[in-house]
Amino acid sequence: TQLLEQSPQFLSIQEGENLTVYCNSSSVFSSLQWYRQEPGEGPVLLVTVVTGGEVKKLKRLTFQFGDARKDSSLHITAAQPGDTGLYLCAVTSGSRLTFGEGTQLTVNP
Amino acid sequence: NAGVTQTPKFQVLKTGQSMTLQCAQDMNHEYMSWYRQDPGMGLRLIHYSVGAGITDQGEVPNGYNVSRSTTEDFPLRLLSAAPSQTSVYFCASRRWDTQYFGPGTRLTVL
Repeated sequence: TQLLEQSPQFLSIQEGENLTVYCNSSSVFSSLQWYRQEPGEGPVLLVTVVTGGEVKKLKRLTFQFGDARKDSSLHITAAQPGDTGLYLCAVTSGSRLTFGEGTQLTVNP
Repeated sequence: NAGVTQTPKFQVLKTGQSMTLQCAQDMNHEYMSWYRQDPGMGLRLIHYSVGAGITDQGEVPNGYNVSRSTTEDFPLRLLSAAPSQTSVYFCASRRWDTQYFGPGTRLTVL
């Protein structure tokens, strides 16, 4: 059983569309992170959310941490081809960082 | 700063061969780790280190050894390569809650 469940696993959309991807768990976390990974590269941290209900914005990306701190969402407005990549959520437990399986997003021109 | 560097970028091994994946960071981070990434399974932690001379096992440590003689370097050794170890390997270092990943090593074991 995965600690973090991400959905959808794959998403292919047209440029200009909006989308939301999800990261869910039955566990409560003190914080949650979102990473983006482009082909042939390592993941890069986008944001860390720490407070239940917290909303953070990074240009066209909006991140929300659930009120109960068990889940999170990432919303992209007016997606662009440059948003294509693997989006991973991750949580820290002790010294370890555990990742979800990721959502592979493709934005077609 | 170069950040986290990994060598080689690509490697092909035969079953039973051994090799070392190199990882170095120039950010003076105490915490370093190794992950493998496989389709449909995300990133899984192999080994990690909280400082020079200290290492610990992650989620999938079997078949791999690590050592941490300096803060900068954290090599990953495959003792006797198996086809199940075909994967992309990422090294990372961490400061506070931000993890910095290297570009990865794509390993194929025939």
